[in-house]
Amino acid sequence: DGGITQSPKYLFRKEGQNVTLSCEQNLNHDAMYWYRQDPGQGLRLIYYSQIVNDFQKGDIAEGYSVSREKKESFPLTVTSAQKNPTAFYLCASSQWAGASDTQYFGPGTRLTVL
Amino acid sequence: SQQGEEDPQALSIQEGENATMNCSYKTSINNLQWYRQNSGRGLVHLILIRSNEREKHSGRLRVTLDTSKKSSSLLITASRAADTASYPCAYGGGSQGNLIFGKGTKLSVKP
Repeated sequence: DGGITQSPKYLFRKEGQNVTLSCEQNLNHDAMYWYRQDPGQGLRLIYYSQIVNDFQKGDIAEGYSVSREKKESFPLTVTSAQKNPTAFYLCASSQWAGASDTQYFGPGTRLTVL
Repeated sequence: SQQGEEDPQALSIQEGENATMNCSYKTSINNLQWYRQNSGRGLVHLILIRSNEREKHSGRLRVTLDTSKKSSSLLITASRAADTASYPCAYGGGSQGNLIFGKGTKLSVKP
């Protein structure tokens, strides 16, 4: 089965904790993305990676960090510096690292701060 | 904000009826894409229309693009209850040409 997996589906975090969200793809895609979605809002880009060992900030990168050590994996860490982390997080990938390519999404992780 | 705007924000119809939703954008684009998002789930790509195309069909979907008006429409014909979802449009125009996603039209199809 080809696709993108995200884990966990639900995640609870206490104030001041860092948490890491997993994203794995077996589509052999070059580019991977992390988005945040708040209720009633469109997706906002957090970070993206066009190639292994390289990544760029998106529109709302503050309080987040990523790594891209393997082509298949693009984990997102939500740090304690992120003031309002409760949201739905979506990971996506696209075949090419070019602009406006079709993106394929994982099922999402819902993060709640207690 | 460069975020696209969908219209209407919400649409409620009966099974078998057609549903039309519109998307307006603010920048020059390479293509415009439509996705579907079921509640609490990831997005699923539906259809992509390039900037040099005016109309495209895929099954029960028909998409039009008017680059002079910077707008696109998505028509779903003979709707089914399973079509109930949010339908955001997306287009290149963000940093490094990344996709910008709209909020989506929330479609409810009643059986």
